[in-house]
Amino acid sequence: GAGVSQSPRYKVTKRGQDVALRCDPISGHVSLYWYRQALGQGPEFLTYFNYEAQQDKSGLPNDRFSAERPEGSISTLTIQRTEQRDSAMYRCASSPLLGNEKLFFGSGTQLSVL
Amino acid sequence: EDQVTQSPEALRLQEGESSSLNCSYTVSGLRGLFWYRQDPGKGPEFLFTLYSAGEEKEKERLKATLTKKESFLHITAPKPEDSATYLCAVQGGTGGFKTIFGAGTRLFVKA
Repeated sequence: GAGVSQSPRYKVTKRGQDVALRCDPISGHVSLYWYRQALGQGPEFLTYFNYEAQQDKSGLPNDRFSAERPEGSISTLTIQRTEQRDSAMYRCASSPLLGNEKLFFGSGTQLSVL
Repeated sequence: EDQVTQSPEALRLQEGESSSLNCSYTVSGLRGLFWYRQDPGKGPEFLFTLYSAGEEKEKERLKATLTKKESFLHITAPKPEDSATYLCAVQGGTGGFKTIFGAGTRLFVKA
């Protein structure tokens, strides 16, 4: 595709439900990153992949959060038993080369937990 | 722990009034320092990468510089369309290719 695609654009869920956020990176991009961004703040690192391998998950807040990229392309960020504090914009970014600095960001998924 | 601090939090300029944004960083073994622009409701958009102290990059009215402890984004004769949030990020240390962002500086340029 022309850019990084994230779906859904908006997700409203009730506390305790599981949600899955999808990221479709630019075709051929090697690295994929997940960030969470609160209003008025910079992106907060969650995790990243090189190809299908999860390289660093140190930013995942707790074990309710997980991510996968099984075929080295599309990635899913899953939040189990959602809590109100999980409400935020979740952004995905991809880059064409390992260690390449230029991240291409998607439009994000705005998650609201009621 | 890798850290990025940006100042000021917000900056209001008149059109044509030049100024600078600051990014202070703490990281061992810097791989790169990056500047991004973010417009409201959109994802960050890449501007520059700087790799070593003394390096400078320019693009239109923007010029980024790097020292061993901080980076500056200089804005010369800004226009209203330069209004946005400017984010600084670093990659390096023990984080591999993990990229850490600062909180950003919100720039408002008034005509």
